[in-house]
Amino acid sequence: DAGVIQSPRHEVTEMGQEVTLRCKPISGHDYLFWYRQTMMRGLELLIYFNNNVPIDDSGMPEDRFSAKMPNASFSTLKIQPSEPRDSAVYFCASSPTTARYGYTFGSGTRLTVV
Amino acid sequence: QKEVEQNSGPLSVPEGAIASLNCTYSDRGSQSFFWYRQYSGKSPELIMSIYSNGDKEDGRFTAQLNKASQYVSLLIRDSQPSDSATYLCAVNEVVGQKLVFGTGTRLLVSP
Repeated sequence: DAGVIQSPRHEVTEMGQEVTLRCKPISGHDYLFWYRQTMMRGLELLIYFNNNVPIDDSGMPEDRFSAKMPNASFSTLKIQPSEPRDSAVYFCASSPTTARYGYTFGSGTRLTVV
Repeated sequence: QKEVEQNSGPLSVPEGAIASLNCTYSDRGSQSFFWYRQYSGKSPELIMSIYSNGDKEDGRFTAQLNKASQYVSLLIRDSQPSDSATYLCAVNEVVGQKLVFGTGTRLLVSP
């Protein structure tokens, strides 16, 4: 298996622009998670899906952030409009079941908003 | 949200020594505990999981769990420079079945 695939690896955008991050989970994994990592706050869970349905979006910082999972093999995280404080590494992770067995992370997207 | 606490380090040990990394958590109902290793610029990689009190060994790594004290640790024997990385402790949050991560401990192993 190719693992969790994220794109793009790096994104540099100007403040106010829309940013879309993409994720393909491991085939057969029913859970998909979006995390954000910064030096100050570490890894923060933004939202997670079970069988394509959003279960908990309490970590989404503001209405500027939205996430979708239209099918079992694809998810997007969108920021509109982007701000400099959104600069971080965004990770997608997937799991075959609940948190009991841990997650597999993608390689991440490093977002820089200037 | 429940908390997971780790000393940020860096923890410096010489090559061949034992590195001891510690973690405390607040959710008494947690049942699953993990250690992830993250090299600079890379994604977290799962290296150990533990579910019951006591020790679990895998090669040079030993995870230790004490639920009464809400304490998890990771021992790395015969530390190598290639072990230099940030080690993240993760604990499942009972409500919502999601993982909560500590901020990580940076380990430096000097030759």
